[in-house]
Amino acid sequence: RKEVEQDPGPFNVPEGATVAFNCTYSNSASQSFFWYRQDCRKEPKLLMSVYSSGNEDGRFTAQLNRASQYISLLIRDSKLSDSATYLCVVNRDSWGKLQFGAGTQVVVTP
Amino acid sequence: NAGVTQTPKFQVLKTGQSMTLQCAQDMNHNSMYWYRQDPGMGLRLIYYSASEGTTDKGEVPNGYNVSRLNKREFSLRLESAAPSQTSVYFCASSLPGQGVRDTQYFGPGTRLTVL
Repeated sequence: RKEVEQDPGPFNVPEGATVAFNCTYSNSASQSFFWYRQDCRKEPKLLMSVYSSGNEDGRFTAQLNRASQYISLLIRDSKLSDSATYLCVVNRDSWGKLQFGAGTQVVVTP
Repeated sequence: NAGVTQTPKFQVLKTGQSMTLQCAQDMNHNSMYWYRQDPGMGLRLIYYSASEGTTDKGEVPNGYNVSRLNKREFSLRLESAAPSQTSVYFCASSLPGQGVRDTQYFGPGTRLTVL
């Protein structure tokens, strides 16, 4: 079993719609959770950290469910510029090493 | 600030050739990392350096060596390239002293093809 699993998609979303997707992680000792965004053939960039109580950053909402070991990302009012691959990232140990999921592709269409 | 820079951007090697991928950061970060990204597999850690003067193996270190030349620079060397090392290589660095919530900042990547 992969340490971090994601639905690869693609999730095809009409502009203005809402899209949500999850990722599951296997290490119950993980303490830090992130969503990174990766555009085609570019480097990953931090989108947002995920906190235990859930958190929002503009149109993006992240949730953490420790009991079921999954995190989620919801994008409201999707923009064409939201088209990207979203990487679920979980810390592996206290030294800050990270485990990356393979990514969920989101395609926003006009 | 340039952030994290990597050279070269593209490289084609023949099996058995060697090369060094260069990475530098100007953010005064202590920790630096080398990853490879293959289709459908996510980023996998090759080597990391928690601080200047230290290096440790990650998930997939075989066939690679690293050097933390100074606080700014962390290089990755392929001694005898193999087709299985065809991949996109990313260097990253992270904020000092933030513990497990360190954000990693990535360079633009090196696209390596081994024939």
